[in-house]
Amino acid sequence: AQTVTQSQPEMSVQEAETVTLSCTYDTSENNYYLFWYKQPPSRQMILVIRQEAYKQQNATENRFSVNFQKAAKSFSLKISDSQLGDTAMYFCAFMSTSGTYKYIFGTGTRLKVLA
Amino acid sequence: GAVVSQHPSRVICKSGTSVKIECRSLDFQATTMFWYRQFPKKSLMLMATSNEGSKATYEQGVEKDKFLINHASLTLSTLTVTSAHPEDSSFYICSCFLGGTQYFGPGTRLTVL
Repeated sequence: AQTVTQSQPEMSVQEAETVTLSCTYDTSENNYYLFWYKQPPSRQMILVIRQEAYKQQNATENRFSVNFQKAAKSFSLKISDSQLGDTAMYFCAFMSTSGTYKYIFGTGTRLKVLA
Repeated sequence: GAVVSQHPSRVICKSGTSVKIECRSLDFQATTMFWYRQFPKKSLMLMATSNEGSKATYEQGVEKDKFLINHASLTLSTLTVTSAHPEDSSFYICSCFLGGTQYFGPGTRLTVL
C-alpha cells in the first residue's frame, strides 16, 4: 500500500525568506502523480503544484517549486520569497494513475510566515 | 476554471435529524467526486468515492446507511447525514476529479446539537 510521510508538523519562516517542506512516499508503481495543496485558515484546499512521475523536470508555479527525486521517493516543496498569505497547512498527496483516482494524503505541515 | 461549490457552508441541526450537503462542479463535468471528513488540525479522511450514475464506494469503517451519497448528474453530488448525532459534527469537504487532479469545494461545517 502507498504511504505519504510529512515529517515536519510545524515550520516557521521569516517574510521574504525561502522555506522547504519535505514529503516522502512509498509506492511500487512507476506511474503516478504527486501534489502539494495549501489549506489556509479558511480551510479551502488550494492546489499549489502537481508533478507527473514520468516527467523528469521539476514542476514550478511562480514562487513555488518542487524537488522531485523519484528514486529516493522524495517530493519537497520550496517556497521562495515567503509572504504572509503563505501561512497555511500544506498537504502532500499521492495518486496512482491506475485505479480509482483516490489521493493518499500526508499528515500535513503547518507553516507560519512571520512578519 | 475548475471551480467547486458546496452548500451549505455551515449547518447546525438537532440530534436525530438529517442533513443534506450539496457539491457542485460549476464550470466542468465530473464523473467522479469524493467526500472527505476533516477533524481539527488533521488531514483529510476519505469517506467515499461518488461516481455519476452508480452507487458510491465507501471506505472501510464508513457507515453507508448513515452517510448517503447520490451522484445523479455530472455536476452534482450530495451527501446526506441521516439521524445525525453529536459525534457526526465535523468539517466535510467534497472534491471533483478533472484531468488527473482533484479540485476541492470550500467545505461544510456541520454541528449537531
